Order: sequence, then C-alpha cells, then structure tokens
Amino acid sequence: DIQMTQSPSSLSASVGDRVTITCRASQSITSYLNWYQQKPGKAPKLLIYAASSLQSGVPSRFSGSGSGTDFTLTISSLQPEDFATYYCQQSYSSPRTFGQGTKVEIK
Amino acid sequence: EVQLVESGGGLVKPGGSLRLSCAASGFTFSSYNMNWVRQAPGKGLEWVSSISSSSTYIYYADSVKGRFTISRDNAKNSLYLQMNSLRAEDTAVYYCARDTSPWGQGTLVTVSS
Repeated sequence: DIQMTQSPSSLSASVGDRVTITCRASQSITSYLNWYQQKPGKAPKLLIYAASSLQSGVPSRFSGSGSGTDFTLTISSLQPEDFATYYCQQSYSSPRTFGQGTKVEIK
Repeated sequence: EVQLVESGGGLVKPGGSLRLSCAASGFTFSSYNMNWVRQAPGKGLEWVSSISSSSTYIYYADSVKGRFTISRDNAKNSLYLQMNSLRAEDTAVYYCARDTSPWGQGTLVTVSS
C-alpha cells in the first residue's frame, strides 16, 4: 500500500499569511494527488485534483504543485474561511490512501 | 445540482449488520466510479471501498475486506455498502463520494453493545 505523509500535522497562522502544506508518498504516484478541505461537522470538499488542477469554484488563492512523491498545497493569502483541516489523497492505486491531515488554526 | 444523500446509519451491536445507501441525483450516475470513505470520531479520513461505473472493478480496504460489500444499482441511481460482522472500530461517519467530488453529508454508524 502507498503511504501518504503530511506535514505539519497542525499549524497556526494569521489572516493574510502564506501557508504551505506538504504531502509525501511512499512511492511515485506521478500526478495522482488530490487535496481536500474539511470544516468541523462537514463533508470534505475537493480543492485540487491531479496535483495542480483547481477544482471549479475554488478560490485561486489555493494552488497545488508537485509530482512523483512530493507535493505541496499553498494558500497564498489565508482568509478567515480557510481555517480547516486539509487532507491529501493519492488516486494512483487502491487502497486510495489519505494523509493524516493538517489542521490550520488561527494564530 | 449534483447531490449525494446517504442513509441507513445507526446504532448496531458488535457482530451485527447494517446496509448503507447513497442516493445520487443531478448527474449521470452510471458514468462515474463511486467510493465509500469513513471518518472515526475525531480522526482522519479512511478510504473504505470503490466500485467502477459498471461494477467491473471493486476494491476494499484491508480493514473491511471480507466483511463489507459495495454494490450499485445504476437503474436506481444508488450506491450501497453492506456491512457485516461489525466491530467497535467500524464506528464512524460514512461518506459516499462521486469519484473525487462531491461527497455526501455522511451517515453515522455506531457499533456498541
């Protein structure tokens, strides 16, 4: 099985900050990497698919990059509504494993 | 509007069974792979099972293999998860998802005596 490791597990940031979350796969997944945002009590929402493609309706301050084993989700200017938990997921092979999540909190 | 609505969750005793359903609307259900993903209370996301558009390909997480069965009825625009031999560690909110997006609102399964 492919293991997905996110870092950090949590971070504190202020509105307007640039935030970067990384995700590392235990083997190459080419660009089969998705990023989700989840707010408390809500279903996850797809932000980025295929490593760098922005899902329709998602603000352009979100961006994704990477290929192979190393990936990054960047929020260029953190907004109040962005405080949430973020997960990466590989869709290269089954089981379609998730990272453990990164909780973005208000500083 | 694309919509996924899960149902069938509830309280069940260890060793019991439950069948979850996911009603899809607003898109051509028969054209999409579907997934079940769960989230234990206070924990992260765990992929459970996937089924291809015509049910040709089915996959399970090791943690549920042999106990859970995924199926779909394209005529009824519905996805199912039959869960047998339930354990306390199966307690979670279960989400259905159309490939990567969107996800339903989830249904809570609690396994407890």
